[in-house]
Amino acid sequence: EAGVAQSPRYKIIEKRQSVAFWCNPISGHATLYWYQQILGQGPKLLIQFQNNGVVDDSQLPKDRFSAERLKGVDSTLKIQPAKLEDSAVYLCASQQGPGLIAYEQYFGPGTRLTVT
Amino acid sequence: GNSVTQMEGPVTLSEEAFLTINCTYTATGYPSLFWYVQYPGEGLQLLLKATKADDKGSNKGFEATYRKETTSFHLEKGSVQVSDSAVYFCALSDGSPPTDKLIFGTGTRLQVFP
Repeated sequence: EAGVAQSPRYKIIEKRQSVAFWCNPISGHATLYWYQQILGQGPKLLIQFQNNGVVDDSQLPKDRFSAERLKGVDSTLKIQPAKLEDSAVYLCASQQGPGLIAYEQYFGPGTRLTVT
Repeated sequence: GNSVTQMEGPVTLSEEAFLTINCTYTATGYPSLFWYVQYPGEGLQLLLKATKADDKGSNKGFEATYRKETTSFHLEKGSVQVSDSAVYFCALSDGSPPTDKLIFGTGTRLQVFP
């Protein structure tokens, strides 16, 4: 079975520029997550989708970050404008069932963003 | 709020040594507990999990027991290999549908030398 795909793998931008990340979850997985992993820290949830609806975006900086999951499959995460503190690895994960306790989340390889 | 605390790394061991990585948690209710591993250049992979008190998760020689009385989920392996070198993350899920986000510790880097 194909895993979670993310692109690009690496991105370098200047502050105040915009950037977008793409994620393709495992086929049939209803739940999709975007996490931010700053160097030396554990991943932190930014947003959770169930099909194409948002379940939790309480930690998403909505003044600059946006995300969508059209048709309940692929998802994009956008940052506009970027700040230096946005430098991090952005991880996408998917899970088979919505709200099913302790089901495994499958992670993609991540996109490493550097803001200069 | 819910949180996870892991021992700081790096942990440096010789091959075949015994491994313990400590993990404690703070949570309301009855969270599920996980260990994820991140090998160099790869994404996070689930290593093992436990969903209730006294459960023992195990995989690839690694074990961890869900201890509610000490709010701990320490990771152990009897004999590490060079290929176990990676970053290990302890995590919890409060399992409150529909949101069941994972809350991660800061990670512990393990380095195993021949």
